[in-house]
Amino acid sequence: DGGITQSPKYLFRKEGQNVTLSCEQNLNHDAMYWYRQDPGQGLRLIYYSQIVNDFQKGDIAEGYSVSREKKESFPLTVTSAQKNPTAFYLCASSTPGRDLSGANVLTFGAGSRLTVL
Amino acid sequence: QKEVEQDPGPLSVPEGAIVSLNCTYSNSAFQYFMWYRQYSRKGPELLMYTYSSGNKEDGRFTAQVDKSSKYISLFIRDSQPSDSATYLCAMTNNYGQNFVFGPGTRLSVLP
Repeated sequence: DGGITQSPKYLFRKEGQNVTLSCEQNLNHDAMYWYRQDPGQGLRLIYYSQIVNDFQKGDIAEGYSVSREKKESFPLTVTSAQKNPTAFYLCASSTPGRDLSGANVLTFGAGSRLTVL
Repeated sequence: QKEVEQDPGPLSVPEGAIVSLNCTYSNSAFQYFMWYRQYSRKGPELLMYTYSSGNKEDGRFTAQVDKSSKYISLFIRDSQPSDSATYLCAMTNNYGQNFVFGPGTRLSVLP
């Protein structure tokens, strides 16, 4: 089955540590995204990548870093510079630039919940 | 003004009721409109999408887009307890380069 796999599902981190969240997709989608979700708030874009070896900052990129070395993979590193990293992180993918026969929609993974102790 | 506004609820209805969920937006460049359902501690799943204005129906779900009013709706008929979730509206332009989400409406359908 095609889809997006995020790991780990739950992660605990001590203050001052960097952690990396994995995101792999087998949908052959060009674009990949990382969102952060906090209780009572909408999804906020951290980083996105339209193509391999290229990525752009979203609305809340400070304290995060990404890489896009392969089309299928878009890992997110939460660095110690991120002041409030406890949140639910969602990876998504899409194929932008579709015509009317295709839909510009996002497909999401199951999410990774990060807790800082 | 936020780019997308959505009543956060929570909204509680009895089983069998018709539910109306709504979003308003300000960017006239949006062309694709989506509704996602998110169960607790899960990733959002796509329910329906609509291109430009009009209605789309899928089983008990109907999505409506009124671009002149910048207003979109999701109707759920014969609501079931399994419909209890948070519903997120989302929208983007023709090229899918910028997806903007509403904060979500939490719905509870009581048996």
